[in-house]
Amino acid sequence: NAGVMQNPRHLVRRRGQEARLRCSPMKGHSHVYWYRQLPEEGLKFMVYLQKENIIDESGMPKERFSAEFPKEGPSILRIQQVVRGDSAAYFCASLGGQGNEKLFFGSGTQLSVL
Amino acid sequence: QKEVEQNSGPLSVPEGAIASLNCTYSDRGSQSFFWYRQYSGKSPELIMSIYSNGDKEDGRFTAQLNKASQYVSLLIRDSQPSDSATYLCAVNIEGGYQKVTFGIGTKLQVIP
Repeated sequence: NAGVMQNPRHLVRRRGQEARLRCSPMKGHSHVYWYRQLPEEGLKFMVYLQKENIIDESGMPKERFSAEFPKEGPSILRIQQVVRGDSAAYFCASLGGQGNEKLFFGSGTQLSVL
Repeated sequence: QKEVEQNSGPLSVPEGAIASLNCTYSDRGSQSFFWYRQYSGKSPELIMSIYSNGDKEDGRFTAQLNKASQYVSLLIRDSQPSDSATYLCAVNIEGGYQKVTFGIGTKLQVIP
């Protein structure tokens, strides 16, 4: 009974490269959230997706960031031309529980930009 | 005004004492409230949810909600060193779907 799976656990990129972060929600869950957490800061909402549909991307930076959740396969958070300020922990969560209101988090991807 | 506000701490309490963690929120229409615990370097995990005014108890944890004051709190009785973590208050901001907004979190240190 696997939980939310994120990979890679750690990702190192040089400035200007692309970063791809993957997330598979819990079995039976079809809603995925991405959050970013900077050191000493709280979780910042980035985007909320359902299968093949972006519901709310109000927390996504206007440039370089994109997200998708295809019909088959994991959700992908893509960061193009990374900069040092993109270094953070990126958490994916899927929605479940009674009333479908509880977030279950993956272990996160720690992105380091050199 | 931030949507969900918490004191970042650290809050230090001796082992065995009651730890009191507080949170205020700005959206009066919010309906669902959560407390998540996050150990250093780990992901958040849900420990309590509360939906109506009053107290909700689960083991050593009690969540308190006062919608009129837009205030949520978490009490941890008989605090243990293993409770040392950051506690994140989260609110489901009313908006037609489940958008959960988090506070900055309060770092709790339980001193043996």
